[in-house]
Amino acid sequence: DAGVTQSPTHLIKTRGQHVTLRCSPISGHKSVSWYQQVLGQGPQFIFQYYEKEERGRGNFPDRFSARQFPNYSSELNVNALLLGDSALYLCASSFHGQGGGDTQYFGPGTRLTVL
Amino acid sequence: GESVGLHLPTLSVQEGDNSIINCAYSNSASDYFIWYKQESGKGPQFIIDIRSNMDKRQGQRVTVLLNKTVKHLSLQIAATQPGDSAVYFCAENTGGFKTIFGAGTRLFVKA
Repeated sequence: DAGVTQSPTHLIKTRGQHVTLRCSPISGHKSVSWYQQVLGQGPQFIFQYYEKEERGRGNFPDRFSARQFPNYSSELNVNALLLGDSALYLCASSFHGQGGGDTQYFGPGTRLTVL
Repeated sequence: GESVGLHLPTLSVQEGDNSIINCAYSNSASDYFIWYKQESGKGPQFIIDIRSNMDKRQGQRVTVLLNKTVKHLSLQIAATQPGDSAVYFCAENTGGFKTIFGAGTRLFVKA
């Protein structure tokens, strides 16, 4: 079975540009979460979507937005890129997105470099 | 505020020895804890989890211990192998949508 897939693998942008990252969850999973992982740190929660609705948001500015499609895939959009947005962006899928045993499975991530 | 931190940023062990990675958490409301392994260039990989109504859970070569009294979590890896070399993260969840990760511990396995 295919795991969580993300595209693109790597991306280089310049400050002020916009970027769209894509994620396809494991078949049957209805929840997608996005995380930002800066080099040398643990992943930081950005968003969670379940059944196309935003369920939660982490401490990130409004430049970050996301959406989930009817097939449960998701996009993460970042506007007006800053150098500090350079990071590995991880997508995780789970059945229903609630803790207490709903295991999140991560994709390989998209490495974003902002110059 | 909430935080999940690790006592040791790096751990070096001899192949075949047992490894113990420790983690402290501060949110007493957290009721679900997870250990992830992350190899270079890859996303975190689920290892084992434990609910707050348990104090020990075993998997294949791994054991997670939870001490709610002191808010401490540990991951024990038996007979550590070179393939276990990676960064290990503990994470906590309060039953909702948000999972909080610690900073990670890098495990080096010496052959």
